[in-house]
Amino acid sequence: DARVTQTPRHKVTEMGQEVTMRCQPILGHNTVFWYRQTMMQGLELLAYFRNRAPLDDSGMPKDRFSAEMPDATLATLKIQPSEPRDSAVYFCASGLVLGQGDIYEQYFGPGTRLTVT
Amino acid sequence: QQQVKQSPQSLIVQKGGISIINCAYENTAFDYFPWYQQFPGKGPALLIAIRPDVSEKKEGRFTISFNKSAKQFSLHIMDSQPGDSATYFCALITGRRALTFGSGTRLQVQP
Repeated sequence: DARVTQTPRHKVTEMGQEVTMRCQPILGHNTVFWYRQTMMQGLELLAYFRNRAPLDDSGMPKDRFSAEMPDATLATLKIQPSEPRDSAVYFCASGLVLGQGDIYEQYFGPGTRLTVT
Repeated sequence: QQQVKQSPQSLIVQKGGISIINCAYENTAFDYFPWYQQFPGKGPALLIAIRPDVSEKKEGRFTISFNKSAKQFSLHIMDSQPGDSATYFCALITGRRALTFGSGTRLQVQP
């Protein structure tokens, strides 16, 4: 039963601390997404990668957020320094996109609930 | 900018009733319209999706209706069940294959 895994599931940290969230996409998927979910803003796309290359990170605050894919089995989202307004659930999703116009499904992980105090 | 508007924000339906959620989008640069279902504490999961060359798609109790000229699409849940209680998101997919989500509809089906 292939699924996207995320660690940690919960994280409580103090303002100013560095936070790293990890995601293992489904094996064979070539596209990885990071989303943030809050009550006020809903589901927002932060960044996504195709074949490990960043395609778009325009949804991410550049001064404190960074996203990387060190290899095909690991995606990371880092916040440094963290702020209370970063408190949210962060989802990773993966999918297999074969080409322009391709219909595909995004599979979401269980999320990381981040609380910054 | 908000490219898709979803309504209502919340919906209460009696068991056996029909739940209807609507979405409207702002331009024609989208070629795939999925609906996602999210239960508390879980990530969203694809429920059903439609391409714009089709006006309706049905899977079990779930139906998507698509009106390309009006730039609207809707989700109908027939014979709604308490187990359908969840948050539903419409979404659009861009040419670069990223999803833009609606604001979500919290559905509560009362027994």
